[in-house]
Amino acid sequence: EVQLVESGGNLVQPGGSLRLSCAGTGFKFETHWMTWVRQAPGKGLEWVANINQDGNEKYYMNSGKGRFTISRDNAKSSLYLQMNSLRAEDTAVYYCARRGAYYDVLTGGFYYYYGVDVWGQGTTVTVSS
Amino acid sequence: SYELTQPPSVSVSPGQTARITCSGDEVSKQYTCWYQQKPGQAPLLVMFKDSERPSGIPERFSGSNSGTVVTLTISGVQAEDEADYYCQSADSSGNHWMFGGGTKLTVL
Repeated sequence: EVQLVESGGNLVQPGGSLRLSCAGTGFKFETHWMTWVRQAPGKGLEWVANINQDGNEKYYMNSGKGRFTISRDNAKSSLYLQMNSLRAEDTAVYYCARRGAYYDVLTGGFYYYYGVDVWGQGTTVTVSS
Repeated sequence: SYELTQPPSVSVSPGQTARITCSGDEVSKQYTCWYQQKPGQAPLLVMFKDSERPSGIPERFSGSNSGTVVTLTISGVQAEDEADYYCQSADSSGNHWMFGGGTKLTVL
């Protein structure tokens, strides 16, 4: 069974730091782009960051640039999100997710699409004094 | 900045057809995905590449793209379809993603 399990969420003071982790099982972790998505209480989904298979391509939402760092350890099938200079507005459930891929019968190849096909259950980050 | 716009709510009776729209300047340039989210649960992918249904998603879910508007259609709506639905796409580079604000589907 394909599974993503997040950990590391906690209560942290404004200006503080937190590192989220996500363990992937049941699939070849090293072959997939990975993503973080967050959801503030009572609000919609917000894309946070993407990372490619070997970790040398990283993309962030505007408000996360310079504060958040996405990384991965393929040997441990794990994804991370280092969050610094946290603000109250960063309070949210943070989801780890796998970028989706499909098999094209005409070409016989796998292709990634701009979306996610597997989600973790989320870990809660609360930024408050 | 690139934004996706969804209606806040859609209401239908059981057995009817629900249509949830997602509009944005560049929905014609990138494929769109749709997610279903029920209270207290993680989102679930119900459509990718505008109109492709993942394995396990019922056939009553379908998707279309008319150019500037993408639509998720649920035919023969059932009570279990009541949920929040989000569209999601990417900018022209494909490297920055965005979600629509979400639509609450109520089954009357």
